Amino acid sequence: DIVMTQSPDSLAVSLGERATINCKSSQSVLYGSNNKNYLAWYQQKPGQPPKLILYWASTRESGVPDRFSGSGSGTDFTLTISSLQAEDVAVYFCHQYYSIPQTFGQGTKVEI
Amino acid sequence: QVQLQQSGPGLVEPSRTLSLTCAISGDSVSNDGVAWNWIRQSPSRGLEWLGRTYYRSEWYNDYAVSVESRITINPDTSKNQVSLQMTSVTPEDTAIYYCTRHRYGNTWYGMDVWGQGTTVTVSS
Repeated sequence: DIVMTQSPDSLAVSLGERATINCKSSQSVLYGSNNKNYLAWYQQKPGQPPKLILYWASTRESGVPDRFSGSGSGTDFTLTISSLQAEDVAVYFCHQYYSIPQTFGQGTKVEI
Repeated sequence: QVQLQQSGPGLVEPSRTLSLTCAISGDSVSNDGVAWNWIRQSPSRGLEWLGRTYYRSEWYNDYAVSVESRITINPDTSKNQVSLQMTSVTPEDTAIYYCTRHRYGNTWYGMDVWGQGTTVTVSS
């Protein structure tokens, strides 16, 4: 199984400041035939299911604000919130869908 | 828009079978551009992918090895829904269970639609 490890487990960021979350996979999730990283990021607020915010490591889902961006390739990835808003307080998860079983990071809690 | 409406009991006795359904609206269970997944979430295990079913001229299933001997995911084309059955449950199966849609268009995207979640407690 591919193990997904996020860091940090939690972080506190001031409103308007940048938040950066890292995700490392135990094996590469870069699909060679199309050069896409099979890595997604989700946001989960209390009492709600996770919400897709990025796929292919850096492509924003429709309707997601452009303050959310993703980078990285292979085994190391980053989710950046460029200017944290109050509504961004949530837990963020990375998810690899390169191989079965699909696996998730343990989550990073973002607070103000 | 696509919605997934989950239903099923919130309490299951140990050793019994857990049964959940996921009713699909706005899409077809037979859509060959998606896969239908079951995922659970608990404090001890985090988000855990359980398995999926998808249609590509015929039906396919993939399951996590950890639960493979106990689970079945079935599409129901007459009701446009997907079901999850898990046998011989224990308290370790206590979790919030989600059904999800995973889009595919020559390549996989992300899981873009999630059900509301069903909290399942295994207890006598």
